[in-house]
Amino acid sequence: QKEVEQDPGPLSVPEGAIVSLNCTYSNSAFQYFMWYRQYSRKGPELLMYTYSSGNKEDGRFTAQVDKSSKYISLFIRDSQPSDSATYLCAMSAGANSKLTFGKGITLSVRP
Amino acid sequence: EPEVTQTPSHQVTQMGQEVILRCVPISNHLYFYWYRQILGQKVEFLVSFYNNEISEKSEIFDDQFSVERPDGSNFTLKIRSTKLEDSAMYFCASSATGVTGELFFGEGSRLTVL
Repeated sequence: QKEVEQDPGPLSVPEGAIVSLNCTYSNSAFQYFMWYRQYSRKGPELLMYTYSSGNKEDGRFTAQVDKSSKYISLFIRDSQPSDSATYLCAMSAGANSKLTFGKGITLSVRP
Repeated sequence: EPEVTQTPSHQVTQMGQEVILRCVPISNHLYFYWYRQILGQKVEFLVSFYNNEISEKSEIFDDQFSVERPDGSNFTLKIRSTKLEDSAMYFCASSATGVTGELFFGEGSRLTVL
């Protein structure tokens, strides 16, 4: 089983839709969970960062972590065309440890 | 807003040639990283660097790879003898604290090995 698996996509939604992006993982040592956004020809940009299980909200974005199920999610409310990008989940075992990424899912928000 | 800058944006090289990818981290950052992404695949960790030493490296980072901070501003990745499978986007990242949630990535250097 791959360490981090992410829904392959691509995903296309109308403007204003609620988007749900998900990753599963197999390594129970992962404690830190991140979502990155990557625009075409750009580097990954950190969106959300959570430690252990629970929810974290930042504006239109909500990150959820369920360590018992080894499952993390990113919800985007009221999606905008500017949200069109590739979204990468990433996780690490320690606060200073390397990141392990999912493959990324490309989201397109149609006006 | 401060940013990590990388050069070149794209380099084409022949197999067996040496390549140096350059990065200028954010000025007050002390922790530096290289990741790479082969087309269509995941972003993969290569190496982390702090206090002029490698902190952690992956299996990918073999003897063909080296990193250096030659002066107070640059951080370089050298590939001694490139292989076809080294073709990828190489991302430099830096952090002020070394905390995984506080990495800032550059825009990447695309390496094409022919």
